[in-house]
Amino acid sequence: KNQVEQSPQSLIILEGKNCTLQCNYTVSPFSNLRWYKQDTGRGPVSLTIMTFSENTKSNGRYTATLDADTKQSSLHITASQLSDSASYICVVSLDQAGTALIFGKGTTLSVSS
Amino acid sequence: NAGVTQTPKFRVLKTGQSMTLLCAQDMNHEYMYWYRQDPGMGLRLIHYSVGEGTTAKGEVPDGYNVSRLKKQNFLLGLESAAPSQTSVYFCASSFEREVSYNEQFFGPGTRLTVL
Repeated sequence: KNQVEQSPQSLIILEGKNCTLQCNYTVSPFSNLRWYKQDTGRGPVSLTIMTFSENTKSNGRYTATLDADTKQSSLHITASQLSDSASYICVVSLDQAGTALIFGKGTTLSVSS
Repeated sequence: NAGVTQTPKFRVLKTGQSMTLLCAQDMNHEYMYWYRQDPGMGLRLIHYSVGEGTTAKGEVPDGYNVSRLKKQNFLLGLESAAPSQTSVYFCASSFEREVSYNEQFFGPGTRLTVL
């Protein structure tokens, strides 16, 4: 069964600190892996998209890594800000068209001052 | 450029009532999608469309119908609402492109409660 598991389920950190979110997947076939940020009451917004040949991709203070051999990905957030408080969703795509996405349940990050 | 918009934002229905959710995008995207998001679960694809006049079933299509009469609009219909359809519904759209990925842009969501 295709699954995307994220950990931790929730996380609280102090403003300015770094954190790393984890994603493990058992999905076949694999086309690409995406990380989305979803603010409360809003739709998801894409942070990064990586194919199996890419092992790291950055978007500002967000850096995603991918190990296709172990089927693991991580999202590292540097120098966190209050606005980083959100749910972070790992998504694996089975095809290039994006019509078969497997969504994780998300990690809820709370950044406090 | 509004991106992806959804109407209404909130709706309360009684069991058995019908309604239509409207999604509109102004990015000239070919692909459009309807998802539902339930507490403790990842988003699940209901239906999608790869172009005007075409629709296809996703992971959880039962109880829903869709139409794509215009490229910029994608409608999701509930013919006879059930409490199990209480959820937050997201529309998304993307280009058709022959690259290794196809980024999806999401709307703000519609929160539907069925009593």
